[in-house]
Amino acid sequence: GAVVSQHPSWVICKSGTSVKIECRSLDFQATTMFWYRQFPKQSLMLMATSNEGSKATYEQGVEKDKFLINHASLTLSTLTVTSAHPEDSSFYICSASAGGANEKLFFGSGTQLSVL
Amino acid sequence: QKEVEQDPGPLSVPEGAIVSLNCTYSNSAFQYFMWYRQYSRKGPELLMYTYSSGNKEDGRFTAQVDKSSKYISLFIRDSQPSDSATYLCAMKTGNQFYFGTGTSLTVIP
Repeated sequence: GAVVSQHPSWVICKSGTSVKIECRSLDFQATTMFWYRQFPKQSLMLMATSNEGSKATYEQGVEKDKFLINHASLTLSTLTVTSAHPEDSSFYICSASAGGANEKLFFGSGTQLSVL
Repeated sequence: QKEVEQDPGPLSVPEGAIVSLNCTYSNSAFQYFMWYRQYSRKGPELLMYTYSSGNKEDGRFTAQVDKSSKYISLFIRDSQPSDSATYLCAMKTGNQFYFGTGTSLTVIP
């Protein structure tokens, strides 16, 4: 299957700092990328959908000024958690699709964020 | 009512057993059906991708889709301890994906 690379896999930061997570599609052009948050033993929670070259669409309840998403190219999307607080600690996962009705969805390996 | 319903389990089976995982859905617009396997603290891995009603086999895995009943299944034959993971069903319409909550599976050696 296609490869989606997500970095870093683990990050620890101090409260108040910002953290950037990168998601890259390595062998296909990702027209659409999705960002999820996952708490232990719970399902994926969609945070936002980003299409290359346009602003991300955020799900209800997700603060767009706190979770900045950039999808500047067909192979790269970034999620920046601004002024992180301990309650932002979570597992963040990106996924990417080439778009089109029958295109599959591939996931990155996830990023565990711990805010002290 | 959720778009996709999946029993969260947990499900525990002995090694070698046949495992049946199921999801139901309510939206008849869903056209594509997927199963993902997720190990703890890892991203989901695509296992099966199907479009039409019927069965699709890949090694020990068989995906079954019944569009008339809005029901999909994943069967795992000769289950192994390495199959212990959370299994997510997913469905697609247009460019939107909808996920089940996941079923936690443990295969006991």
